Amino acid sequence: DTEVTQTPKHLVMGMTNKKSLKCEQHMGHRAMYWYKQKAKKPPELMFVYSYEKLSINESVPSRFSPECPNSSLLNLHLHALQPEDSALYLCASSPTGLPNYEQYFGPGTRLTVT
Amino acid sequence: QKEVEQNSGPLSVPEGAIASLNCTYSDRGSQSFFWYRQYSGKSPELIMSIYSNGDKEDGRFTAQLNKASQYVSLLIRDSQPSDSATYLCAVTVPGGSYIPTFGRGTSLIVHP
Repeated sequence: DTEVTQTPKHLVMGMTNKKSLKCEQHMGHRAMYWYKQKAKKPPELMFVYSYEKLSINESVPSRFSPECPNSSLLNLHLHALQPEDSALYLCASSPTGLPNYEQYFGPGTRLTVT
Repeated sequence: QKEVEQNSGPLSVPEGAIASLNCTYSDRGSQSFFWYRQYSGKSPELIMSIYSNGDKEDGRFTAQLNKASQYVSLLIRDSQPSDSATYLCAVTVPGGSYIPTFGRGTSLIVHP
């Protein structure tokens, strides 16, 4: 089973709202990722958790706050977003053994900030 | 600076033809190479991974890796309209985070 699930599928929020995106995998992967993808662009890395610890934070604004409650779950908390943050937010997971860093992506959350 | 380059396309091929997608990378130490397919509005789907020089075949897909020339390619035989998508090349390097670096993707259109 190579399934990564994400909720919600779509989210519309105002600039003063607080919302959370959720991601779950049951493949035993110990690395999980958040990406942001704009139309016709490749995925842009935001955060990486390895063994439930934040290992990479690609200088993402503080209005995005990641959380990894356990090895299967990954959240992205959103607060005071801007319209330019509208994008497809992708969660991915991968095993951490070399050389296998194949990433498996969830279906994404389409976020619109109004 | 890690760079992964792909021609953005679109690459247009007739149904039944072979589609050839190419990717070059700048870091000679690159170790793992991946091809993802992404339909419009959907998330990337891993279709091939390759780690050593040569060819790797999976059904209608063949990945080819040439580390000396620093390129990796994806061949799709007997192309179908359902293969129309953007194909993303991703490359990892050792000595760092092993996080894949993505190319910008090549748009493939298979016309009936």
